[in-house]
Amino acid sequence: KNEVEQSPQNLTAQEGEFITINCSYSVGISALHWLQQHPGGGIVSLFMLSSGKKKHGRLIATINIQEKHSSLHITASHPRDSAVYICAVRSEGTSGSRLTFGEGTQLTVNP
Amino acid sequence: DAGITQSPRHKVTETGTPVTLRCHQTENHRYMYWYRQDPGHGLRLIHYSYGVKDTDKGEVSDGYSVSRSKTEDFLLTLESATSSQTSVYFCAIGRGLNTGELFFGEGSRLTVL
Repeated sequence: KNEVEQSPQNLTAQEGEFITINCSYSVGISALHWLQQHPGGGIVSLFMLSSGKKKHGRLIATINIQEKHSSLHITASHPRDSAVYICAVRSEGTSGSRLTFGEGTQLTVNP
Repeated sequence: DAGITQSPRHKVTETGTPVTLRCHQTENHRYMYWYRQDPGHGLRLIHYSYGVKDTDKGEVSDGYSVSRSKTEDFLLTLESATSSQTSVYFCAIGRGLNTGELFFGEGSRLTVL
């Protein structure tokens, strides 16, 4: 079992729909990242959070440390939101801080 | 843009040839990372650097070496490329070791025939 599991793997939505992407992890973490990878391949950081909720425009990220779960929500989705969304968790080990990435969720928003 | 560029962006090479990928940053970040991205896997760390001439191995370092002779440049070398090293390679930079926000390059697609 991977340390970081994302669901769904693929998601197709119609423009305007509310979208939720989930991330579950099995290790204790100090922070969680949400990243966006566009079809051209570039990766950008959306959020870094360790508790509660963060909002940026139409994107909202929440995390529940006790349940080891995070969600990324997109309100009023648009075709330009089509991308791969990647969850990554930072855990602390004997050799220092380590980042583990999920495999990503492919989102397609149709007009 | 975080001021990070990778070169080349695309390369096709043959098994057994040496390959060097370059990552260049203009942000003066201390930490630089090389990841590879493959279907069925999340991004996996190959090597990272925490300063000039200071580097360490990641989880998939076999077959790769790195060098950092200047703050702004981090080179990834495949001494003798193999087909299993066909992948998309991403460079990232950050202020702390796996802490804080990461900034990624555009990726370098390498095909080893």
